[in-house]
Amino acid sequence: NAGVMQNPRHLVRRRGQEARLRCSPMKGHSHVYWYRQLPEEGLKFMVYLQKENIIDESGMPKERFSAEFPKEGPSILRIQQVVRGDSAAYFCASSPSDGTGNTIYFGEGSWLTVV
Amino acid sequence: QQQVKQSPQSLIVQKGGISIINCAYENTAFDYFPWYQQFPGKGPALLIAIRPDVSEKKEGRFTISFNKSAKQFSLHIMDSQPGDSATYFCAASFSTGANSKLTFGKGITLSVRP
Repeated sequence: NAGVMQNPRHLVRRRGQEARLRCSPMKGHSHVYWYRQLPEEGLKFMVYLQKENIIDESGMPKERFSAEFPKEGPSILRIQQVVRGDSAAYFCASSPSDGTGNTIYFGEGSWLTVV
Repeated sequence: QQQVKQSPQSLIVQKGGISIINCAYENTAFDYFPWYQQFPGKGPALLIAIRPDVSEKKEGRFTISFNKSAKQFSLHIMDSQPGDSATYFCAASFSTGANSKLTFGKGITLSVRP
């Protein structure tokens, strides 16, 4: 769990601002997943990325949300023009690239509060 | 349509007792079933997982029982301790193909009373 690094851990944004959440996967992992957890809710899948590729973005809202995982550097989840309903915990997870991709490890999360 | 359903929604158990959490899934193509434990303010941590080729897996005080025909699996926590108080999520995914994304249940809150 501690191997997936997320920052910032807590972020406060005013409505209309942009939020950028960063995730560095565990060493040796090239698969990254982003999940959102609303209060009293389970984890909802948002997007699955490999280096420089979006594999599955079926859980991403159609507008304002985007994700990338560049060749160098962390994965970024970007939320433009935030609204109060975006307030949630955003978890990044990673898995190995050696065929055992089911073992998914989560980071500590980034808590976004929109005021 | 909720593909993975957990029950009960919350559970209170006395210290030393057995905690049992159930999970039912819809998609028969799922073939990897993990349980995650989450403490407040923390990320989910993998607890134990099972594949459908076995009916039971035990790791320490934690056991998963799997019933393929009923499309159900459960987590048993033996000798429950106050430190086990947390939220528990079951999940399911596919082990083949390009996408290993997990589909989670809504989670249940377990409270173990001293």
